[in-house]
Parts: sequence; C-alpha cells; structure tokens
Amino acid sequence: NAGVTQTPKFQVLKTGQSMTLQCAQDMNHEYMSWYRQDPGMGLRLIHYSVGAGITDQGEVPNGYNVSRSTTEDFPLRLLSAAPSQTSVYFCASREEAGGAYSTDTQYFGPGTRLTVL
Amino acid sequence: EDQVTQSPEALRLQEGESSSLNCSYTVSGLRGLFWYRQDPGKGPEFLFTLYSAGEEKEKERLKATLTKKESFLHITAPKPEDSATYLCAAASGGSYIPTFGRGTSLIVHP
Repeated sequence: NAGVTQTPKFQVLKTGQSMTLQCAQDMNHEYMSWYRQDPGMGLRLIHYSVGAGITDQGEVPNGYNVSRSTTEDFPLRLLSAAPSQTSVYFCASREEAGGAYSTDTQYFGPGTRLTVL
Repeated sequence: EDQVTQSPEALRLQEGESSSLNCSYTVSGLRGLFWYRQDPGKGPEFLFTLYSAGEEKEKERLKATLTKKESFLHITAPKPEDSATYLCAAASGGSYIPTFGRGTSLIVHP
C-alpha cells in the first residue's frame, strides 16, 4: 500500500492564481481531512469528509474548496491564492469517522509546501 | 472550545538523559488522546492513542500515560534518532475531530 499520497510536493503561486492540491489514499478509508501547518500554530483543520459525497468545514475553511467524488481522492482547491495561504498542507485519512470499531489511527501524507507571492 | 497545550516548546537532552513531554487538554468528553512524531519536512507519524485515565502504552523508548487533565510522553534513555517534533492531539466524544497542540521540538545530542 502506498498509504496517503500528495502532489505536488512544492508549489509557488502568484496572488490571485488558483490551483488544486491532490490527495489520494489506497486504504479504503472513509474519513479524510486537510490540515495546514504554520510555524508556532500547530495543525489546523481546513475541511474534512466522512465519506464519498460528504464534506464539511473545519477550523479555517475560508479560501478553500473540497469535494469527495470517490473514496480514494480528496482534492483541495485554492480559489484565489493569497499570501496568507503560504503554508504546508497535509492530507490525512482514518479508517472510520469514529465508529465503534474505529482504531482512530490517522495516517498523514508527506505534505505540500505552498508559497504564495 | 477544545484546547490542547504542549510543554515545553523545545527540549534539548543528552543521549541517555530521560525526560517527559507534557500535553494538557481541555475537551468535552474525551474520545481519544493521540501522540504523533514529526520529522522535518515530513508528515506526522502516528505513535499512540489513549482512551481513558490510567491507560499507558509503550513503544521502544517511549511511554505515553494519561490522566483526566493531561498526558505525558516519557522518553527513556533517548538516542539522537529520537530527535523530532512530538505532537499531541485530543478528540472530544461528540465530533471525533482531534484538536492539535503546537508540538514539542526534541533534540537529543550524542
């Protein structure tokens, strides 16, 4: 199993540009999420999904869109990039959204380092 | 509002010098307390999940413990390869969405 994969690893954008960060998992996990990590801030939840066709907002959703058309993929779209979105982005997946038999083990991807000029 | 506070922010140890990292949490009905290790330029790697006060889990030189208000990650006789940032997260029973602390950066000198 490849686990959780993210592309690209690095990206530089100009203010106002749009792009999509890709995330895929091959573990048949229902729950997927996107975080951003900034120095001194810890991991902050952007959006999450409890299954195909179901998404919801996290702590810092503004400026980002998500969709979940398949179990495997959970792309994050930046609509109009701003310098404040310069960060490292992590995608994560978990077996179930807190079900009775959930192990709660969350697997993270390697991250995408985004710079917005 | 769920809160997770980790201390210290940074810790420098000599190889073999045991110590503990602290994670204080305030959540409504704890569902799980999680510890992760993060190496520079990589994603967090899962270490432990603790569910109830009094629970302990071990992995090599690491042992995680849990009380009703905090969790400790004890590092026994650390080696340089234990150098990393250790993240703590807590999830409440209602949402299952974990809140992360800011992490403790550990450096172990040979």
